[in-house]
Amino acid sequence: ELKVEQNPLFLSMQEGKNYTIYCNYSTTSDRLYWYRQDPGKSLESLFVLLSNGAVKQEGRLMASLDTKARLSTLHITAAVHDLSATYFCAVDQGGTSYGKLTFGQGTILTVHP
Amino acid sequence: DAMVIQNPRYQVTQFGKPVTLSCSQTLNHNVMYWYQQKSSQAPKLLFHYYDKDFNNEADTPDNFQSRRPNTSFCFLDIRSPGLGDAAMYLCATSRDEKGEETQYFGPGTRLLVL
Repeated sequence: ELKVEQNPLFLSMQEGKNYTIYCNYSTTSDRLYWYRQDPGKSLESLFVLLSNGAVKQEGRLMASLDTKARLSTLHITAAVHDLSATYFCAVDQGGTSYGKLTFGQGTILTVHP
Repeated sequence: DAMVIQNPRYQVTQFGKPVTLSCSQTLNHNVMYWYQQKSSQAPKLLFHYYDKDFNNEADTPDNFQSRRPNTSFCFLDIRSPGLGDAAMYLCATSRDEKGEETQYFGPGTRLLVL
């Protein structure tokens, strides 16, 4: 059974600082997704990572995937208040179950002035 | 704009009273998913349709059923809602089952069971 673990689960940052959220998963997969969720809202897609070594960047966020280590990172550069949200990684179960996602627990990010 | 629409956005029902949540999409995607997200938890896949083929997750309770009458619409039926079924229900779509693209999520329906 695929298990996905994120850490930290809670992250309080000062504006302007850098930090990394980690997403570890337990079985082989080469497809990983990052989503953002604002309180009471739905999920917004941030990144799709489809191969080992994939790196994608959008604004102050950069995501990477290491399939050998079964690890993805979401790096935040010079945080701003607007980045406050819950961030989920989700891993494709693969095999005969492509398209079925298992989500991590989520990381609640709060950016303070 | 192409999108995923869910109705209603908020649904209040009584314990044991059947309820139906609806999802429609203008993306013309082949796959539609239903997720349950309880407060402060991650979304959990209930089932999905690839075209008309229904795929149930092993741990989805029998109380939850789904229908997909055509490509655009998908319904979630909860036959006898219990207090533990109060949650946000998210519909999502994807072009296919290859997992090469993201899933597009609707705004969700928040279900309250009294």
